[in-house]
Amino acid sequence: EPEVTQTPSHQVTQMGQEVILRCVPISNHLYFYWYRQILGQKVEFLVSFYNNEISEKSEIFDDQFSVERPDGSNFTLKIRSTKLEDSAMYFCASSDITRLGGAFFGQGTRLTVV
Amino acid sequence: LAKTTQPISMDSYEGQEVNITCSHNNIATNDYITWYQQFPSQGPRFIIQGYKTKVTNEVASLFIPADRKSSTLSLPRVSLSDTAVYYCLVGENTGNQFYFGTGTSLTVIP
Repeated sequence: EPEVTQTPSHQVTQMGQEVILRCVPISNHLYFYWYRQILGQKVEFLVSFYNNEISEKSEIFDDQFSVERPDGSNFTLKIRSTKLEDSAMYFCASSDITRLGGAFFGQGTRLTVV
Repeated sequence: LAKTTQPISMDSYEGQEVNITCSHNNIATNDYITWYQQFPSQGPRFIIQGYKTKVTNEVASLFIPADRKSSTLSLPRVSLSDTAVYYCLVGENTGNQFYFGTGTSLTVIP
């Protein structure tokens, strides 16, 4: 079964540092998403991306965040200057052209800001 | 976007059928209803999606009444491995179903 892969699985970073979380969506999917989940809380939408541009973003996705599809396979989330409250599990997801049938989620990257 | 309301938690014994209901009173004409399952420290996993009446797959059934203001996820004969959080999302399609609610934490008891 095709899957969304995320790297690294766990990243520890110092407050104020930049981090890049990487995702390889399913190859024929065209819609890409980032979500985050703070420990013990619900899954929160950050951003959706289609046709090389952001199609929707939440209020969480402020100027500290950016997304990029640097090549035909990777999809990245950059946090410019991490804060302690950015510590969370970050999930990448993708869906196909119909966007029906649900989105496929990766296993997540656990980001710990110290 | 239609807001969804689900019970916060449910308990069930192994082997029983579990029904989790989601309310979405403001569902729009073009909205679909999608359910996800999430295990601890894993990403959500798509279970089932429907628009109206009943949908069944190898994992679950989804019942949607005619007014579509609610939906019920039915898990037949649950096992311990079905212990997870179940989320109901509503939107025109996956691309518009961004916002997860608090979900229902199902605990299956031996």
